[in-house]
Amino acid sequence: DTGVSQNPRHKITKRGQNVTFRCDPISEHNRLYWYRQTLGQGPEFLTYFQNEAQLEKSRLLSDRFSAERPKGSFSTLEIQRTEQGDSAMYLCASSPTDRGGHSPLHFGNGTRLTVT
Amino acid sequence: AQSVAQPEDQVNVAEGNPLTVKCTYSVSGNPYLFWYVQYPNRGLQFLLKYITGDNLVKGSYGFEAEFNKSQTSFHLKKPSALVSDSALYFCAVRDPGYNKLIFGAGTRLAVHP
Repeated sequence: DTGVSQNPRHKITKRGQNVTFRCDPISEHNRLYWYRQTLGQGPEFLTYFQNEAQLEKSRLLSDRFSAERPKGSFSTLEIQRTEQGDSAMYLCASSPTDRGGHSPLHFGNGTRLTVT
Repeated sequence: AQSVAQPEDQVNVAEGNPLTVKCTYSVSGNPYLFWYVQYPNRGLQFLLKYITGDNLVKGSYGFEAEFNKSQTSFHLKKPSALVSDSALYFCAVRDPGYNKLIFGAGTRLAVHP
């Protein structure tokens, strides 16, 4: 168990640029989640995948945001035309499929985005 | 709708004293409740969970939490605090009808020597 890996750890970009983040979940985990965390707040749910299928998206996820998990393994989160309000920590988490919903999420260390 | 409230932004406690970090929740059904801890520039680490059964659940690093259905609370406790427990603590709830965790705003725990 190597844990959830996120890259890059930090990203600084200028407003209007596009950015892409990558998440590699724990290998046997079928579910993958993206959360966003701003200073002083708890993580806010963005979207989640069951294998390669994106099953739920938050209203927070504007049309500038897109997430993929093409082969049911790693996932990417892309933000187009970044805005200063996009500055945050983007967290990825994974968990095994669990009908009961008991399994805790395993989080990566996040990607910190700063939009200047 | 699911929601979680952590009424204290910060909790200060002396090393060796007991600590409590408060959490209340709102869900439509029977809740699944979780506590996570976050150290600076790190992701969240799972501490413990309540699914069903005994109201007192034990977790990592000597932490425990008590589920109280009538008060809709799930307070995190530890009998004797350590300086190394200083971190940000998040309570989270999952309504069994949904597949996502909803987090509270977090409570910063400061343990002083």
